[in-house]
Amino acid sequence: EVQLVQSGAEVKKPGESLKISCKGSGYSFTSYWIGWVRQMPGKGLEWMGIIYPGDSDTRYSPSFQGQVTISADKSISTAYLQWSSLKASDTAMYYCVRLVGAGNYFDYWGQGTLVTVSS
Amino acid sequence: SYVLTQPPSVSVAPGQTARITCGGNNIGSKSVHWYQQKPGQAPVLVVYDDSDRPSGIPERFSGSNSGNTATLTISRVEAGDEADYYCQVWDSSSDHYVFGTGTKVTVL
Repeated sequence: EVQLVQSGAEVKKPGESLKISCKGSGYSFTSYWIGWVRQMPGKGLEWMGIIYPGDSDTRYSPSFQGQVTISADKSISTAYLQWSSLKASDTAMYYCVRLVGAGNYFDYWGQGTLVTVSS
Repeated sequence: SYVLTQPPSVSVAPGQTARITCGGNNIGSKSVHWYQQKPGQAPVLVVYDDSDRPSGIPERFSGSNSGNTATLTISRVEAGDEADYYCQVWDSSSDHYVFGTGTKVTVL
């Protein structure tokens, strides 16, 4: 069974750093792109970027380029999303997703990680 | 950048048919995918490649795509279909993934 299991909710202060994780299982982790999707409170879905764990090739949405870093450790089948200096506007639910490359859609979603940034 | 526009809300009585549109420039030339998100849950893929259903998704969910509009149709609507629905495409010109603005389906 394919699963994407994300790390737990985080509460941080503005200016702090953060790294959240997404562990894949039940499939060949290095054979599928993994993406991240943001959902701000009460708002819609926004694609942030994707990474191919096989070679760490990474693409970013222009809206998130330079704001976050996506990485992966294929030895432990885990992808990461990190911030070096959080802002209150980073408060959101973050989902990791598996990309079906041939069709360019997201067939499996993690359960989400809620990030709250507040002073 | 490529923009996908959905109506904010659609209301439908149980047993009737709900149609959710997704508008985009020449969207008929792209493959459109649809996700259902129930309150407090992660989204779930319900239609991919315009009209295909993943295993486990009821036949009541169907899709079509032509011209500047793609449509997700939910037949014989049930109370459990109440959710937000998002369309999504891959924009080949930018190599970016785009989500629609989302539609809240309310079952009366």
